[in-house]
Amino acid sequence: AQSVTQLGSHVSVSEGALVLLRCNYSSSVPPYLFWYVQYPNQGLQLLLKYTSAATLVKGINGFEAEFKKSETSFHLTKPSAHMSDAAEYFCAVSGPVDNQFYFGTGTSLTVIP
Amino acid sequence: DAGVTQSPTHLIKTRGQHVTLRCSPISGHKSVSWYQQVLGQGPQFIFQYYEKEERGRGNFPDRFSARQFPNYSSELNVNALLLGDSALYLCASSLETQTYEQYFGPGTRLTVT
Repeated sequence: AQSVTQLGSHVSVSEGALVLLRCNYSSSVPPYLFWYVQYPNQGLQLLLKYTSAATLVKGINGFEAEFKKSETSFHLTKPSAHMSDAAEYFCAVSGPVDNQFYFGTGTSLTVIP
Repeated sequence: DAGVTQSPTHLIKTRGQHVTLRCSPISGHKSVSWYQQVLGQGPQFIFQYYEKEERGRGNFPDRFSARQFPNYSSELNVNALLLGDSALYLCASSLETQTYEQYFGPGTRLTVT
């Protein structure tokens, strides 16, 4: 079975500082990897996805993530945090054999003005 | 284009009752997946349906069931509600069974008292 681990359930950064949210996956074959953002009382919005193309993936709102097979990681970064980035972030893994999505427990990002 | 829609938005039920949640996928999407998100956790996969057939099932009891209609909309049914069923229920749609392009609805918040 596949799984993801998100290190740090809560992360606080100052406005303008680097955002780094960590995700490690467990999969017997190279998986598909995703980052989703969830604002309060809303559904999930896809930030970016890795589906075995370029290892550095650029997403919406200035976020990007790098797939590192040797480290089984898919960390999410953003060079400069905005107040509007405050939300819950979920890493997820899926495929290519198993269509099910497996989500991490989430990281709550707080941006300090 | 309209995104994934879910109804109702909120629902309060009593233990032992039955509930039906509804989901309309994005136009042209043939696959619908259901997830349960308990407060403070990541979404857990419940079901995937494609062309009215169940294509995947997560680790949930038989009290949970679903179906998909010819217009690709879907219902999630939960019988004999327990307090632990209180959660946000998310629906996601995708074009085909490959879920790496799935889009989430806003969810239905179910409270069981």
